[in-house]
Amino acid sequence: GQQVMQIPQYQHVQEGEDFTTYCNSSTTLSNIQWYKQRPGGHPVFLIQLVKSGEVKKQKRLTFQFGEAKKNSSLHITATQTTDVGTYFCAGGYGNKLVFGAGTILRVKS
Amino acid sequence: DAGVIQSPRHEVTEMGQEVTLRCKPISGHDYLFWYRQTMMRGLELLIYFNNNVPIDDSGMPEDRFSAKMPNASFSTLKIQPSEPRDSAVYFCAWRTLPHSPLHFGNGTRLTVT
Repeated sequence: GQQVMQIPQYQHVQEGEDFTTYCNSSTTLSNIQWYKQRPGGHPVFLIQLVKSGEVKKQKRLTFQFGEAKKNSSLHITATQTTDVGTYFCAGGYGNKLVFGAGTILRVKS
Repeated sequence: DAGVIQSPRHEVTEMGQEVTLRCKPISGHDYLFWYRQTMMRGLELLIYFNNNVPIDDSGMPEDRFSAKMPNASFSTLKIQPSEPRDSAVYFCAWRTLPHSPLHFGNGTRLTVT
């Protein structure tokens, strides 16, 4: 079925350390989107990747889409306390967007 | 995100009662989605509409759940009768094009006792 696996479930890092979360689909995706949800908030769109092998950067965040369009990653360089929250990938299957389970990021200052 | 108003923000009800959640996108849109979020299951897609027509309701848990979109600016999700396992945060979200970003409302936190 249409399912997106995301790991790790949880990561606790020291401020200044890097952080990476990974998503994988068993079937080819039309696109992948990334969202961030702060505690008590709602998911907020970060970025979309569409092309095979695409890499996009937003300041300290780097997003990659695999060559086979089945996996993706989000990497944060030198985490800050403002990065805390849950990061979700969402795989596009036609018009449907299926969310991964999310990775909860905690940053120790 | 601006552009989606959900009501109520919090709802506490007793098992067996009917619950109606409301979603009002401010802008025009083509697609409207209802998601449910729990710790155990994460963000689950319940149903989505395109131009007010339900396209895929395969995520609706069971017959107790129903959703309507009578016009382009209003949608409801109804649970009748409600059960404790329905306790979750329910989000509606919209987008204009098939692959454009989703804009989420603030959600309704439902507690069924």
